[in-house]
Amino acid sequence: GQQVMQIPQYQHVQEGEDFTTYCNSSTTLSNIQWYKQRPGGHPVFLIQLVKSGEVKKQKRLTFQFGEAKKNSSLHITATQTTDVGTYFCAGLGTYKYIFGTGTRLKVLA
Amino acid sequence: GAVVSQHPSWVICKSGTSVKIECRSLDFQATTMFWYRQFPKQSLMLMATSNEGSKATYEQGVEKDKFLINHASLTLSTLTVTSAHPEDSSFYICSARAGLADPNEQFFGPGTRLTVL
Repeated sequence: GQQVMQIPQYQHVQEGEDFTTYCNSSTTLSNIQWYKQRPGGHPVFLIQLVKSGEVKKQKRLTFQFGEAKKNSSLHITATQTTDVGTYFCAGLGTYKYIFGTGTRLKVLA
Repeated sequence: GAVVSQHPSWVICKSGTSVKIECRSLDFQATTMFWYRQFPKQSLMLMATSNEGSKATYEQGVEKDKFLINHASLTLSTLTVTSAHPEDSSFYICSARAGLADPNEQFFGPGTRLTVL
């Protein structure tokens, strides 16, 4: 079945450092979404990418969808303590979204 | 943005009892709702897709007789965990498709933490 993996599983960074999480699907995706889940909270929708090679930016966050629509990345520039949480990608296959394994980010002040 | 609520936010029950979790879309109509389960420090696993007025579609490995889903209206879906056991203890999250600006965007409820003793 369809699998969506993310690397790294965990990442600790010093505040101000950059952070990147990578999302890889075993199958071609129709689109990909990114979510952030704070500790004890529920996933919050960040963005959706649809087109091959698409790049979108939200302030310090840059999202990219691969040319083959099988991978994606989220890059955070100059992390802040408010960026702490787990970042999930979710890929749309035939009819449903499959969530990635998640990357847990800790930011050290 | 669209708001989804869940009730209760947490529940503790004895093994063998049934627990009902409600998922409501507060300010929009949701023709499709999704139920996920999340174990500690793990990802969200889709359990079933719930469409208003029809039977839910369950994912492989999810027992439909154990996890009863009812989507009686465009704003309410319920998940009943029947004869709950300790291994059913988990964080259950629903989401709803609003079909507003983006038809694929999902809005998640705050989740229900179930602990079965």
